[in-house]
Amino acid sequence: AQTVTQSQPEMSVQEAETVTLSCTYDTSESDYYLFWYKQPPSRQMILVIRQEAYKQQNATENRFSVNFQKAAKSFSLKISDSQLGDAAMYFCAYRSAYPLNTGTASKLTFGTGTRLQVTL
Amino acid sequence: DAGVTQSPTHLIKTRGQQVTLRCSPISGHKSVSWYQQVLGQGPQFIFQYYEKEERGRGNFPDRFSARQFPNYSSELNVNALLLGDSALYLCASSLEPWDIPLNTEAFFGQGTRLTVV
Repeated sequence: AQTVTQSQPEMSVQEAETVTLSCTYDTSESDYYLFWYKQPPSRQMILVIRQEAYKQQNATENRFSVNFQKAAKSFSLKISDSQLGDAAMYFCAYRSAYPLNTGTASKLTFGTGTRLQVTL
Repeated sequence: DAGVTQSPTHLIKTRGQQVTLRCSPISGHKSVSWYQQVLGQGPQFIFQYYEKEERGRGNFPDRFSARQFPNYSSELNVNALLLGDSALYLCASSLEPWDIPLNTEAFFGQGTRLTVV
């Protein structure tokens, strides 16, 4: 079974600075997708960025970028020029690309989350 | 366009009671998934439905059941409620199920906060 681990329960960053959130995962599959979701106090999960395992190039979305290390099974999120609106819970998630082929459920597997505080 | 809508937003039930949570997917989305998020944890997969059929089930007891209607809306039912069922229940919709190799994004609702006392 796949597992996702986020070892930083809380992180803090000053406005305009850069912060990196860590995520490691365990899987025996070679094809999969990785995601970072943001959950603000409104509770709605919002997709921040995603990475396809077959792509070597790290994904980037404006101020958000990832460092994907497939061999190390590591998937960190870097937030540049942090803003007050970035304060939220951040969840790393895994999804199999071919769940029927591997007998796994068609689902997202989430980590326990990292609470990001942004200070002035 | 409306996003994923869930009702009710908050709910308080007594142990042993039954509860029904509702989810309306984004227009055109045929797949609905349910997740349970206990305080301080990440969401845990409960069910996925596509075209009214169950396409995936997580490690939850038979007290949990769900169904999907012809208009693709969905209900999650929990019987014989326990204190441990207190959680945020999230619904996610997508165009197609994820057991085909398409990179389809899941859109989440704001959840139903269930408190069992």
